[in-house]
Amino acid sequence: GESVGLHLPTLSVQEGDNSIINCAYSNSASDYFIWYKQESGKGPQFIIDIRSNMDKRQGQRVTVLLNKTVKHLSLQIAATQPGDSAVYFCAENIQAGTALIFGKGTTLSVSS
Amino acid sequence: SAVISQKPSRDICQRGTSLTIQCQVDSQVTMMFWYRQQPGQSLTLIATANQGSEATYESGFVIDKFPISRPNLTFSTLTVSNMSPEDSSIYLCSVGTGDGEQFFGPGTRLTVL
Repeated sequence: GESVGLHLPTLSVQEGDNSIINCAYSNSASDYFIWYKQESGKGPQFIIDIRSNMDKRQGQRVTVLLNKTVKHLSLQIAATQPGDSAVYFCAENIQAGTALIFGKGTTLSVSS
Repeated sequence: SAVISQKPSRDICQRGTSLTIQCQVDSQVTMMFWYRQQPGQSLTLIATANQGSEATYESGFVIDKFPISRPNLTFSTLTVSNMSPEDSSIYLCSVGTGDGEQFFGPGTRLTVL
């Protein structure tokens, strides 16, 4: 079936490094993508989103890149901090207002 | 973003019993969803909670096992019925805004013995 997946299950970085978390999606009709951060014992926290008519969007220390040609989504975190340690999920939305399809998740571990 | 609360935050239940999870939002929202997150896994949609009508269930989830209510635009419940250890999961409600954004509650951590 169509789903959103992730390339790597874990990513370990040093504090201060830049982190890149990747995601592949299979449905070319997906219109909207969201990155979530989930810390242990908490619900997913909205980080940043991007629509299919864009290829880049920047937030505070985070950037999401969308490559529709190869159906690839990435989350870049600048100057990674220990507080960024969490599981990161990408999710896609076929149509605004419908439910999200989630990828498997990447665990980001930041060491100081 | 909306502020979403869930009750209970966690519970330990006996096999064969049922648990009702509540989701409360601090503002009126059109879309509410219920997800399940099994240990170490990603999120899987259980159903869309429709206000004033029956919920829309995803493949593999049925109303008899997961009855859902949505009496108004700020509240929904999910019941996990006749529980077995396989139902041990985190249950999450989320709300959707008109432009597609979705925000999640803190989750209910259920352990079935």
